[in-house]
Amino acid sequence: DTAVSQTPKYLVTQMGNDKSIKCEQNLGHDTMYWYKQDSKKFLKIMFSYNNKELIINETVPNRFSPKSPDKAHLNLHINSLELGDSAVYFCASSLTRSGANVLTFGAGSRLTVL
Amino acid sequence: GENVEQHPSTLSVQEGDSAVIKCTYSDSASNYFPWYKQELGKGPQLIIDIRSNVGEKKDQRIAVTLNKTAKHFSLHITETQPEDSAVYFCAATQKDSNYQLIWGAGTKLIIKP
Repeated sequence: DTAVSQTPKYLVTQMGNDKSIKCEQNLGHDTMYWYKQDSKKFLKIMFSYNNKELIINETVPNRFSPKSPDKAHLNLHINSLELGDSAVYFCASSLTRSGANVLTFGAGSRLTVL
Repeated sequence: GENVEQHPSTLSVQEGDSAVIKCTYSDSASNYFPWYKQELGKGPQLIIDIRSNVGEKKDQRIAVTLNKTAKHFSLHITETQPEDSAVYFCAATQKDSNYQLIWGAGTKLIIKP
């Protein structure tokens, strides 16, 4: 069983469209994250939820909206997609909200905006 | 805020040789320093970590050293193998952000056969 699974793995869409990426973890972790990795491989945290509560909300356009229906799921919805949104988006989870915990990452969702 | 600098950005070594990647951090209160390995097409995966009360930690061919005075830590890989080729990220916790991780920019390690 995959510990952190995200779908879709690949997403190609036109500018201006709205899209969602879903993430699920079966590790029983309390905390989940969304990271963005650009073409230069920089890893940038976007959001973090602890037990359905938003705890990290970095400087991200408000076109990005995370939603956590329960602590095992964290979805990312993006409105009005722009070219600069093209990147690989990683979901991750950790046992607790402490930064000193091991992060378990999903395999990534590659978003290409044309 | 915390800043984590990672060098080099690309490292090419002959198979069997050692590889060293270095990171420096700015927050003297940082207390946790993980290293993640990202293989092509996959998410990063923890390979080794060290806490601020320890100076060195080793796991088979991988070791991490921490110099708190100088505020730098390094990843050492000995007897490199082709499967070590990947991007490696260091990170450090930042006190100001409730000890969340601040990431280095990554090092692409290439093992030449």
